[in-house]
Amino acid sequence: EDQVTQSPEALRLQEGESSSLNCSYTVSGLRGLFWYRQDPGKGPEFLFTLYSAGEEKEKERLKATLTKKESFLHITAPKPEDSATYLCALSGTASKLTFGTGTRLQVTL
Amino acid sequence: DAEITQSPRHKITETGRQVTLACHQTWNHNNMFWYRQDLGHGLRLIHYSYGVQDTNKGEVSDGYSVSRSNTEDLPLTLESAASSQTSVYFCASSERIEEDEQFFGPGTRLTVL
Repeated sequence: EDQVTQSPEALRLQEGESSSLNCSYTVSGLRGLFWYRQDPGKGPEFLFTLYSAGEEKEKERLKATLTKKESFLHITAPKPEDSATYLCALSGTASKLTFGTGTRLQVTL
Repeated sequence: DAEITQSPRHKITETGRQVTLACHQTWNHNNMFWYRQDLGHGLRLIHYSYGVQDTNKGEVSDGYSVSRSNTEDLPLTLESAASSQTSVYFCASSERIEEDEQFFGPGTRLTVL
């Protein structure tokens, strides 16, 4: 059974304080590892897809990396507008997305 | 611009009533999905469809049904609403199945009293 575990559950950073969010997973055959951002009261918004270990993708202050067991979402010099819940999901042999419970990020001034 | 919409955005109903949540997408995607989101559980798949006349059960399908009569719409029906179905419901669509990102609607908050 595909499983996704995200940590920490919540993270509070000061503006400019870089950190990483973790997504550990077990899957029999990885087709894709997805990162989404979700703002309160809204649907998830797609950020990245990673397909194989060693792959990295960047978008503004965010960089996603992938190993055979984990994915990290690195946030460099975050701003208050980066505050959101970040969701990790994977697509495996079941051909459906399995989501983690998310990391709630708060960035303060 | 293409989009995915859900209606209503908020719904309060009583136990035992039938409820239908609408989902409409203009992406022309074949694949559509319904999820529910609850604290501590993340997003869980209820039903999904890979095209017109195709429907499949997800991990939490009991008490729910869907039908797909055209590409754009996938309505979700709660046959007899229960308090355990109080949740936020999201509809999503994608172009391909396994490897494509899914585009999500804004969600419907359903309360069953």
